[in-house]
Amino acid sequence: EPEVTQTPSHQVTQMGQEVILRCVPISNHLYFYWYRQILGQKVEFLVSFYNNEISEKSEIFDDQFSVERPDGSNFTLKIRSTKLEDSAMYFCASSSGPPVVSYNEQFFGPGTRLTVL
Amino acid sequence: DAKTTQPTSMDCAEGRAANLPCNHSTISGNEYVYWYRQIHSQGPQYIIHGLKNNETNEMASLIITEDRKSSTLILPHATLRDTAVYYCIVSSASGGYQKVTFGIGTKLQVIP
Repeated sequence: EPEVTQTPSHQVTQMGQEVILRCVPISNHLYFYWYRQILGQKVEFLVSFYNNEISEKSEIFDDQFSVERPDGSNFTLKIRSTKLEDSAMYFCASSSGPPVVSYNEQFFGPGTRLTVL
Repeated sequence: DAKTTQPTSMDCAEGRAANLPCNHSTISGNEYVYWYRQIHSQGPQYIIHGLKNNETNEMASLIITEDRKSSTLILPHATLRDTAVYYCIVSSASGGYQKVTFGIGTKLQVIP
C-alpha cells in the first residue's frame, strides 16, 4: 500500500540553525501539506502546496518557514533559523487531485520529531 | 468550517463495539463529516467520511443522523490497537484540497 515517508525521524538542532525536513508524498498525489504537533497539543496546519505554489498557509507559517518541491518526488519544509518553540513533531501529508476532488482524504507520514536546543 | 463537539475520553472493552459520538449542529449542506485517528506518536490516519448517508469500510462505520447535526463512528470489534485519539472533523469539499483542522478529539482507551 502506498505511503507517505518522512526523513529524518528525529532531528536535533541548535537554536538559530537551519533545518530541512523531507517528505516523499504518495506518487500520484497532487496536494501536499505540512502540519505540526507540539507535545501534548493539537495537530496544527502549517501550509498546503499545489502546482508548485503555496495554496494556503497558517499564521504559524511565517517568513522563517518555506516549502519546496525540488524534484518530482520530494517535498521539503525548511526552517531558516530555528527557535526553541519550533520543537514539535512535523507531519507531511498528501492527497489526490482531479478527478477525485469531492472529498479530502489526506495521507499522513510518520512525522519528524524536531528538537531545538 | 462547522465546529464539532466530542467527549474528551471513552473506554471500551476489547472485542466490543466502540461508539464514538460527535455533534456538529452548525454543519452546512456542502460539508462532509470526516473521521481521523492518531495512535500515540504516529501520524493521523484517515478512517472514513460521509455526507448524509451512512458509510462503512473495512475500518469502521459512520452513522449520520437525518438532520446531519450529529454522527457516530462505530468500530465494530475494538482491539487494543484501536487505542488512539479520534477526531471528528467537518469540512467543505470545495476545490481540490482542504486543510484538516484538528480539535482535541476523543481519547479512546480499549481495555483488555
